[in-house]
This record gives sequence, C-alpha cells and structure tokens, in this order.
Amino acid sequence: DTAVSQTPKYLVTQMGNDKSIKCEQNLGHDTMYWYKQDSKKFLKIMFSYNNKELIINETVPNRFSPKSPDKAHLNLHINSLELGDSAVYFCASSRLGQGQPQHFGDGTRLSIL
Amino acid sequence: AQTVTQSQPEMSVQEAETVTLSCTYDTSENNYYLFWYKQPPSRQMILVIRQEAYKQQNATENRFSVNFQKAAKSFSLKISDSQLGDTAMYFCAFMTYPGGSEKLVFGKGTKLTVNP
Repeated sequence: DTAVSQTPKYLVTQMGNDKSIKCEQNLGHDTMYWYKQDSKKFLKIMFSYNNKELIINETVPNRFSPKSPDKAHLNLHINSLELGDSAVYFCASSRLGQGQPQHFGDGTRLSIL
Repeated sequence: AQTVTQSQPEMSVQEAETVTLSCTYDTSENNYYLFWYKQPPSRQMILVIRQEAYKQQNATENRFSVNFQKAAKSFSLKISDSQLGDTAMYFCAFMTYPGGSEKLVFGKGTKLTVNP
C-alpha cells in the first residue's frame, strides 16, 4: 500500500503539448507539495497546499497550475511544455507543524522532445 | 534566505567502514529542523534522519548519526559499517516556515559510492 503515489512514472512528450501528473497520498496528511529535480539533481520546491489551499508558489511560470480537489490529491498540470521543463517532479506530503518529515512519491520523469 | 551547502559532490568508502558527509546551512532563525534524505538509483527520496534545532542531543537511527553543531551551523551525517545498499545521493535539507507553511530547502547533494 503505497503512501504517496504519482502517475505516470515516466512521461515523454513533444514541446508545446499540455500534460498532467497526478499525486495521491493515503497517509491522512493535510499538506502536499510539488518539487522539481533538475538534471544536476538539485531539488527545489514549486508549490505547497494545505487543506486544498495554495500556501507556497515559488516563482514558477504560470504554465504550471497545481490543483487540489481534496486534501489527499494534488495534481500538476503543465501547459505549452518547453525543453527546460524536462526534469523529475516529486510529490510529497506531511502533517503541518513541528517539523514533520515530508514523505515523497517515487517521482515522475518528464522528458520533452 | 536560507541556504544549504554540501561541499562534497562525491565520496566513496569501502564496505564496513565509516564515512561522514558534510553539510552547513545559513539561517537567522532559532528554531528549525534539519533532515538528511537518501536517493538511491531507484530515484526514491527516503528520509534518513531528522534533527530538532532546540535539542542538543544528536539524532541517531541505527547506523546513521549526525553531528549537529548549532553555533557553527553544521549538520554532518555519519554512516557506520557502510553497506553496498548505502550507495546513493544524500541530500541535507533545512525546514523553513514561510507564510504558515513548511518547505524544505535542499543542498546540492553528495553522491556516495560504497565499494565492495
């Protein structure tokens, strides 16, 4: 029983297309995140949601739109994909407060041709 | 802004030996949390250890322990009795609290190879 699951694991698509990555957690956490890991393995936060409310939006192009239908799901939609969007995208979740550790999904490798 | 620095891009160690990975950070906050995450070739991000800044006692988890020096803003990870399965990227991370939420700020990682 996977705690944080992302689909798909791999996504290969053409420049200019629109794509979505889905994330679900069954840990009962109230906060979810999206992180981007670039080709040099550097991880940086993109968004966080707490109880379906956007809390953090880290200077991400508005082609990226997160959507949280409920607190167990946080999806990432990307419009007009660019070569620079190629990366591994990680979803994570945690309880809020007291430095609770974040639990990560297995990542989605997005490759733009 | 908080920053996390891992000064060793790559390290290697012989199986069964001990290795220490370095991490320093910069913050003006007094209460915060620090983490080490492991990313094996399978790409998963696995929590290794967590440290609360207000606790002087260093965290330990089995073969993994930290040396937390708050004044020096240093948070190194020691792996004892290294095993082949410890081969991975190791990321040091600082938890900060912008706007009521929490986010992790990561270092650039250290690639550790355990040799047989």
